[in-house]
Amino acid sequence: ETGVTQSPTHLIKTRGQQVTLRCSSQSGHNTVSWYQQALGQGPQFIFQYYREEENGRGNFPPRFSGLQFPNYSSELNVNALELDDSALYLCASSPNGQLTDTQYFGPGTRLTVL
Amino acid sequence: GNSVTQMEGPVTLSEEAFLTINCTYTATGYPSLFWYVQYPGEGLQLLLKATKADDKGSNKGFEATYRKETTSFHLEKGSVQVSDSAVYFCALSRASNTGKLIFGQGTTLQVKP
Repeated sequence: ETGVTQSPTHLIKTRGQQVTLRCSSQSGHNTVSWYQQALGQGPQFIFQYYREEENGRGNFPPRFSGLQFPNYSSELNVNALELDDSALYLCASSPNGQLTDTQYFGPGTRLTVL
Repeated sequence: GNSVTQMEGPVTLSEEAFLTINCTYTATGYPSLFWYVQYPGEGLQLLLKATKADDKGSNKGFEATYRKETTSFHLEKGSVQVSDSAVYFCALSRASNTGKLIFGQGTTLQVKP
């Protein structure tokens, strides 16, 4: 069984640029959630996708957007990058998006904005 | 609003010492509670969970009991090992926020031989 994978591992961008991060969910999982983890902090919920539809969003501006594909993989897009967007971006998948579902996290993508 | 508060770290222990990491939460209704662990350079791994009051989650020698009366979910282990050195996150999830996890700030545990 393949776990959650994310790409790329590391990324360096400059202010104002756009970035796309990718996530492949665990086999059999139809729900993907994205989190932002600033250095020394706990992860913050960005949004969740369930069967290709957005199913909840945290306090992030519209320049954070996402997609989920028919195979349940997902993308996180960030436009007009700011220095504060530097963080570890974590993707997590779960079977059905239910309250008690365990979320399985990928290793994350480390984004640095200069 | 919903929130999770953890004791500040770092927590430094000698091998075989007893571990307690405190976690309290604020939420309406009956959230599910989780402990996740993050080893250096890695993503989060679920350590244990509890979905209703008085439930005890356990895994790899770690335990935590869902205490609704004190809104707490403290993590304990009777004898820590060097390999337990990591950052531990307490989190909650509420029924009206399907799957959304709200995390505490994390507690760093350092275990010395």
